[in-house]
Amino acid sequence: EIVLTQSPATLSLSPGERATLSCRASQSVRGYLGWYQQKPGQAPRLLIYDTSKRASGIPVRFSGSGSGTDFTLTISSLEPEDFAVYYCQQRANWFSFGGGTKLEIK
Amino acid sequence: QVQLVQSGAEVKKPGASVKVSCKASGYTFTSYYVHWVRQAPGQGLDWMGIINAGGGSTNYAEKFQGRVSMTTDTSTSTVYMELSSLRSEDTAVYYCARAGPNVYFDYWGLGTLVTVSS
Repeated sequence: EIVLTQSPATLSLSPGERATLSCRASQSVRGYLGWYQQKPGQAPRLLIYDTSKRASGIPVRFSGSGSGTDFTLTISSLEPEDFAVYYCQQRANWFSFGGGTKLEIK
Repeated sequence: QVQLVQSGAEVKKPGASVKVSCKASGYTFTSYYVHWVRQAPGQGLDWMGIINAGGGSTNYAEKFQGRVSMTTDTSTSTVYMELSSLRSEDTAVYYCARAGPNVYFDYWGLGTLVTVSS
C-alpha cells in the first residue's frame, strides 16, 4: 500500500497570498498523483490529475508539480472560496488518499 | 450532465449490514468504473474499492476485504455497496464516485451517512 503524507496539516493564510501544499508518497507514484478540494458538507472535487493537469473548469491559479515521491499543489493567489481541505490521491498502485491539509483564513 | 444519486441515510446496529445505492445518469453507465470512498466524522478519505459498472468485476481495499461487496445493475444504471458486520467505527459518510477517463474520481455523489449505534 502506498502511504501519502500531507504537510502541513493546517495552513493559515490571507486572501491574495500564495499557498503551497505538499504531498509525499512512501514510494514512487510515477506521476499518477491527483489533488482534490473539499468544503464542509460537500463531496470532494477533482482539481488536478497526473501531477499537473487541471481538471475541467478548474481556475488557472491552481497548479500542480512534482515527480517520484514529492508533489506540490500551488494556489497562486488565494480567493475567499479557496479556503477548504485539500487531499492528494495516488493511482499508481490501486488508490489511496493523503490525510489532508486544511487551508484556513488567517 | 453527469449525476450520481445516492440512497438516504441509514442507522444500523452493530453486527448488521448496510447496502447503499448509487444511481448514475448523464453518461454511458457501462463504460465506466465506479469507486466507493468513505469519510468518518472529521476524518480523511478512505478508498474502499472499485467496480466495473458494465462487467461487474471488482477490487476491494485490503482493509475491507471479506466485509464489502460491490454489485452493479445495468438495467437501472445503479451500483451498490454492501458492508457487513458493522461496528461503531464504520460510522461515516459513504461516497460513490465515477472513475473518469484518467481513472481519477471525476464526479461524486452527495454521500450517504451510515450511523452504527446500539
